[in-house]
Amino acid sequence: DVVMTQSPLSLPVTLGQPASISCRSSQSLVYGDGNTYLNWFQQRPGQSPRRLFYKVSNRDSGVPDRFSGSGSGTDFTLKISRVEAEDVGVYYCMQGTHWPWTFGQGTKVEIK
Amino acid sequence: QVQLQESGPGLVKPSETLSLTCTVSGGSISNYYWSWIRQPPEKGLEWIGYIHYSGNTNSNPSLKSRVTIAVDTSKNQFSLKLSSVTAADTAVYYCARHDMATTRLGMDVWGQGNTVTVSS
Repeated sequence: DVVMTQSPLSLPVTLGQPASISCRSSQSLVYGDGNTYLNWFQQRPGQSPRRLFYKVSNRDSGVPDRFSGSGSGTDFTLKISRVEAEDVGVYYCMQGTHWPWTFGQGTKVEIK
Repeated sequence: QVQLQESGPGLVKPSETLSLTCTVSGGSISNYYWSWIRQPPEKGLEWIGYIHYSGNTNSNPSLKSRVTIAVDTSKNQFSLKLSSVTAADTAVYYCARHDMATTRLGMDVWGQGNTVTVSS
């Protein structure tokens, strides 16, 4: 299985400051059709996961533009330009290139 | 707006079969892929498997021999059976929908989750 490694696992952030989460895959996530199937999810406390981005940088409806996704190959990043209180939760990357689809361990974002 | 609701027992005995149903409301089960994902306590997400409304399925090889996923389009439901459960199967089980005619993009709609504990 493709191993997805996130860092850091815990990210204390001051309100209004930026945050960055890294996700690295054990194999390239470029699929034969040319697409890179790397997706990001947010799980707020007590809630189900919610998709934020698909194919690296395609933002889902309703996702604030302070969130951005980038990367290529095996190295990907989720950034929050200015953290707000509602951003507290666990963030997961997920690959859909190599079956079975796998998730990262999760990065817990909390307010300092 | 499509909503998903998991239903099933919250407690299952070791060696028995876990059975869950996901009911789709506010939309049709047709023309989509549907998945089961689980999350053990204080841990991350694990993909169990998915099913197309036509009935085609695929399951995580780590669970494949124990997993059965089925769809009932007449009831707008799909289901999960996991046999020979152990304490390691204790988790919140989510059902979810895939958009854009592929499972590769993850899930755009999730259920609230059903907590299942395996214990005698």
